[in-house]
Amino acid sequence: DTGVSQDPRHKITKRGQNVTFRCDPISEHNRLYWYRQTLGQGPEFLTYFQNEAQLEKSRLLSDRFSAERPKGSFSTLEIQRTEQGDSAMYLCASSKIGSRDATNEKLFFGSGTQLSVL
Amino acid sequence: AQTVTQSQPEMSVQEAETVTLSCTYDTSESDYYLFWYKQPPSRQMILVIRQEAYKQQNATENRFSVNFQKAAKSFSLKISDSQLGDAAMYFCAYRSAYSGNTPLVFGKGTRLSVIA
Repeated sequence: DTGVSQDPRHKITKRGQNVTFRCDPISEHNRLYWYRQTLGQGPEFLTYFQNEAQLEKSRLLSDRFSAERPKGSFSTLEIQRTEQGDSAMYLCASSKIGSRDATNEKLFFGSGTQLSVL
Repeated sequence: AQTVTQSQPEMSVQEAETVTLSCTYDTSESDYYLFWYKQPPSRQMILVIRQEAYKQQNATENRFSVNFQKAAKSFSLKISDSQLGDAAMYFCAYRSAYSGNTPLVFGKGTRLSVIA
C-alpha cells in the first residue's frame, strides 16, 4: 500500500480555465476528504465522502467547485472558471471507519496538489 | 464553531534539546479529540500524537508528548531530544467526539526549525 496518492503534484493554469485533480485513497478506506491549504494557514475542510456519497460540503466550496467519488474509490475535484483566489494546495485524506467508532477515525493525508492560477 | 489557535508562527530548537509548541482551542463541548500533525517539506500531513479529552493522562509517543490542560483549553506539544528530521510545520487540530461527521479543524501552524 503506497498511501494516499494525489495527481498532479503541481498545476499552473490561467484564470478562467477549468482544472481537475485526482485523489486515490488507501485501498479499502471508505472515507475521503478534501481540504484546501493556503499559504500561512492550516488546512480548511472542503468536503467529504463516505463511499460514493458526498455527505458534507463546506461553505468554502462555491458553485465553481465540484467533487465526485464514483464507485467509492478514487475522487476528483474540479474547479471551473478558476480565479486567482483559488491558488492553494488541495489536500486529500482518507480513513477507514466502522459504524461504531466513527469519531475515532484516523486520517491519512496525501502530498497535495499545488494549484497556481495566473 | 470551534477554533484552534497557534500563537507561535515560528520556533527554533537546537539539536538534542527540547522544545514546546503551544496550542489553545475554543469549544463548548466536553468531549472531543485533539491532534498534532507534522507537515514536512514533502507536504504530506503526518499524525504525530492524539489525545482524547476524556482521558486525564497526557498522551506520549516516543519523543513526543503533550500537556493537555482541559480547563485552560490548552494542548501543547513537547518534542524531546530534537532531531534534524523534526524540522517541519506543526499543526494542532480539533475534532468533536459527538458526531462522526465533523471534520478536523486546524490551527495556522508553527514552523519548527532544528539547528545542528
